Amino acid sequence: GQQLNQSPQSMFIQEGEDVSMNCTSSSIFNTWLWYKQDPGEGPVLLIALYKAGELTSNGRLTAQFGTTRKDSFLNISASIPSDVGIYFCAGPNSGGSNYKLTFGKGTLLTVNP
Amino acid sequence: DAGVTQSPTHLIKTRGQQVTLRCSPKSGHDTVSWYQQALGQGPQFIFQYYEEEERQRGNFPDRFSGHQFPNYSSELNVNALLLGDSALYLCASSRLGLAGGDTQYFGPGTRLTVL
Repeated sequence: GQQLNQSPQSMFIQEGEDVSMNCTSSSIFNTWLWYKQDPGEGPVLLIALYKAGELTSNGRLTAQFGTTRKDSFLNISASIPSDVGIYFCAGPNSGGSNYKLTFGKGTLLTVNP
Repeated sequence: DAGVTQSPTHLIKTRGQQVTLRCSPKSGHDTVSWYQQALGQGPQFIFQYYEEEERQRGNFPDRFSGHQFPNYSSELNVNALLLGDSALYLCASSRLGLAGGDTQYFGPGTRLTVL
């Protein structure tokens, strides 16, 4: 089945540092979604990307839809303690239906105050 | 504007029992998807409902079934529970036909523990 590879698996950074994480796929995606999940909670949508090459910001978060449509990047600037959580990339593939989302395994972010 | 709601929050069952989980979609949404998330993993797609019909199904056995009601709310039923069914069950809603209609918004989840 389709897989999304997220890296890194985990990150431990100091408050104020910038963070970058990425997601790659062997298949083309029409949409890239980035979610954040806190322990015991549902994923919260951070940014949605709909066009190859698109660069979108949401406060301190910036995400890009790769031009090959097989990758995406999420950057967090000036990290703060509440950025702690698991970040997932997800997308519906173009080869089949757009009904289901495929998720990466997540990047665990820890921010040291 | 109410987001996606799920009930119950937590549930404890024993092996062999049956369970029903409930979901109300975000206001204006007509499509509900269900996901299972095991500890330390990303969510795995179970199935999606639109116009009260199952549109697509993930790699889950027939013990997992669902229903969508005319008001777009949905239920997930799991029969003959196994220990391995212990997980966070997530409901997500979206609206077909809109630009970005495959963007799904998640509820807080139901934590199911099977003993």
